[in-house]
Amino acid sequence: QVQLVQSGAEVKKPGASVKVSCKASGYTFTSSGFSWVRQAPGQGLEWMGWISAYNDNTNYAQRFQGRVTMTTDTSTSTAYMELRSLRSDDTAVYFCARTGGYCSSINCYNDYMDVWGKGTTVTVSS
Amino acid sequence: QSVLTQPPSVSAAPGQKVTISCSGSSSNIGNNYVSWYQQLPGTAPKLLIYDNNKRPSGIPDRFSGSKSGTSATLGISGLQTGDEADYYCGTWHSSLSSGHWVFGGGTKLTVL
Repeated sequence: QVQLVQSGAEVKKPGASVKVSCKASGYTFTSSGFSWVRQAPGQGLEWMGWISAYNDNTNYAQRFQGRVTMTTDTSTSTAYMELRSLRSDDTAVYFCARTGGYCSSINCYNDYMDVWGKGTTVTVSS
Repeated sequence: QSVLTQPPSVSAAPGQKVTISCSGSSSNIGNNYVSWYQQLPGTAPKLLIYDNNKRPSGIPDRFSGSKSGTSATLGISGLQTGDEADYYCGTWHSSLSSGHWVFGGGTKLTVL
């Protein structure tokens, strides 16, 4: 069965970076992409961006541009999301989700998120 | 404020039917597919409906989706206590530069 297994909880100090992993299994890794979605305590879902596992094309939410990097490693079927210059309001649960889509030279399009990881809690505190 | 507008909460009795609305614009719902996600307390979201009205394998037909113009609706019939959860709509928001995904603010369903 299709499964996404995320890395464990992290505690970081303000200004630090965090890198969350998402290991995929049960399907052809390069046939889809990954969205990263976060949820602050008691809040709704916030889309951070998307990466194609086929060609590493990325599409980041404007508010995270310059602070986030999404990558994939096809040899281990793992997607990564690194967030830098952490602030206290980055405290949240971070989810990866399998997501179809594509990017052309002009624009991108993302499909629905059909399989989700269980989430990684990132706490930013001094 | 979310680009997509959902009611913060809805409630109904067991066995009843409830609908959750999701309102957007021509830049998102009006020209793109809508999907719906169920998030039970303390768990990850789960895909309930995709492409406006399709159910993934394993999702009971008590859950239905529809879209009209710039709004979408999730229907849940035969309510069960296990349906108590937060529900989110989502879709692509198109723009000239680069589009992005948007979620509604979420609706908390209470089964009385």
